[in-house]
This record gives sequence, structure tokens and C-alpha cells, in this order.
Amino acid sequence: DTAVSQTPKYLVTQMGNDKSIKCEQNLGHDTMYWYKQDSKKFLKIMFSYNNKELIINETVPNRFSPKSPDKAHLNLHINSLELGDSAVYFCASSLLAASTDTQYFGPGTRLTVL
Amino acid sequence: LAKTTQPISMDSYEGQEVNITCSHNNIATNDYITWYQQFPSQGPRFIIQGYKTKVTNEVASLFIPADRKSSTLSLPRVSLSDTAVYYCLVGVGNTGKLIFGQGTTLQVKP
Repeated sequence: DTAVSQTPKYLVTQMGNDKSIKCEQNLGHDTMYWYKQDSKKFLKIMFSYNNKELIINETVPNRFSPKSPDKAHLNLHINSLELGDSAVYFCASSLLAASTDTQYFGPGTRLTVL
Repeated sequence: LAKTTQPISMDSYEGQEVNITCSHNNIATNDYITWYQQFPSQGPRFIIQGYKTKVTNEVASLFIPADRKSSTLSLPRVSLSDTAVYYCLVGVGNTGKLIFGQGTTLQVKP
């Protein structure tokens, strides 16, 4: 069974559209994250939820809105997509919200905005 | 915020030991040092973590000097499958916030 799964794996869409990326973890972890990796491979944290509560909210445009229906799921909704949103988005989870906790990453969602 | 600096790329040959050094001059007292590995088209994967001195597991060793301003990831006898990007991270507080640098792209050649 996949520990952290994301859907879709690839997402190609037009500028201005709204899209969602789903993430699920079956590890029983309390904390989940969203990261963005740009073309230069920089991996930057966007959000983190601990037990459905937002604990990290980096400087991310308001067009990005995370939603955690339960602690096993953290979805990312993006409104009015822009060219600069093209990147690979990774979901991750950890047992607790401590920087010493191992984070388990999903396979990534490659978003291409045309 | 602690910032890490590591070489952008390294080349090695199969069977050699590879050492990747990371600088983190502003590391905080309660920060641990963690290394992740990322293969192409995959998410990062935890390799090893340490606070001071030396840590060893089945994959790698981590050497941390007394001042903790740097750390060295050592991969013994690398193989082609060790070709990946290696990230050195230091944590920030108790929120799980990890700051990834640009990583070191390790290319292992036959």
C-alpha cells in the first residue's frame, strides 16, 4: 500500500482555470504538508496542517487554499491558475509537527499551466 | 533561520565513497541536521538525521563536528542507483518546517 498518495500525477490546464490536487496518507500521521518544487529543483514548503489545524502558512498567494477534511487528507485547491504556478507539488506527512520527525513524501503532481 | 550551503553537484564512480559536506553556520541549539535523497520523478526520502558526533545507519553515515556548523554525509561504496539529489536540512522550531536548499546532484558513473 502506498503510504502517501497524490492525484493526479500530471495536470495540464489553461491559465485562469481552477484545479485541485488531492493527497492522502495511510500512515496514521497527525501532520501533513504541501511543498512546491520549481524547475530549478528548489523545494519550498507552502502549508502544514497538524490534526486538521493550519500550523504553517508560508507566503503563498491567496489563490492557493489547502483543505483538510480529516487528518489523513490534505487537498490543495488553486484558483485562477497562472503560468508561474507550473511546478511539481509534493504532499508529505509526519507523525508529529516536529522538525525532527521524518517526513514521508508523495510521488508528486506535475502541474503545467498553458 | 538556519541556512544550508552545499555543493551544487558532484561526480563519483561506482564503488567509491562519497562525502557531501553541508555548511549551516547559523544552526540553532535545538536544531537537528537531516539529509534527504530525491530520485528523478520521486518525492524526497529520509536518509539520516543527527545532532552531534556521528550517526550511522544501513544507508549512510553522518559526521557532525563539535561546533555543529557543518555536517558531512558519507555514502560508502556508491552504485549507479545512488545517483540522486541530496538535500541537507536543519529544522526550524517545533512546527516541522524544513528548509530545503538546492541540494547536491550526485552523478555516479560506471
